[in-house]
Amino acid sequence: QKEVEQNSGPLSVPEGAIASLNCTYSDRGSQSFFWYRQYSGKSPELIMFIYSNGDKEDGRFTAQLNKASQYVSLLIRDSQPSDSATYLCAVNGYGNNRLAFGKGNQVVVIP
Amino acid sequence: EPEVTQTPSHQVTQMGQEVILRCVPISNHLYFYWYRQILGQKVEFLVSFYNNEISEKSEIFDDQFSVERPDGSNFTLKIRSTKLEDSAMYFCASSPRTGTDTQYFGPGTRLTVL
Repeated sequence: QKEVEQNSGPLSVPEGAIASLNCTYSDRGSQSFFWYRQYSGKSPELIMFIYSNGDKEDGRFTAQLNKASQYVSLLIRDSQPSDSATYLCAVNGYGNNRLAFGKGNQVVVIP
Repeated sequence: EPEVTQTPSHQVTQMGQEVILRCVPISNHLYFYWYRQILGQKVEFLVSFYNNEISEKSEIFDDQFSVERPDGSNFTLKIRSTKLEDSAMYFCASSPRTGTDTQYFGPGTRLTVL
């Protein structure tokens, strides 16, 4: 049973600051890692994916993966009020199709 | 940009009734999925579907659930005899291939069982 943990409570950040979100996963065989954004009552929307150890940047978002520590993170730079949402970490493994999701981290950007 | 679409957006049904949730995956995608999210809880995998058959299913996907691709575009989830605990958002997703591919989600169907 794959477990994905996102343990931080709601994160409040001032507009323009950096929001940092963390996720750990239990299945060492996990191959691909995703961050989705979910607004209240809406569906998950892909923000980023990462497959290899290290950093991956896309605009204001940076994903970081450390497979040895089974840890993936997301940084949101220059946070905007529109970034206020729940961020879901999702993981899947080699040879299977299911995404295992964490509970999500709520981010509130304060203008 | 191609999107996954789902109908209806909201379905209200009586306990014990059958419901069919419909999805149109992105046209050149090969793998299709159903997930559900009970209010306030994690998104949970139900089933994946490839080449007209189930490729993987979770322990949630018991005999009351079935999936079908009745034609070249639609992908359906049927719940045979709904229970109160089936009330949730149901999301369809599709991906170009499998395994590590990104899954793109539809807007969801909110199912309310009374």
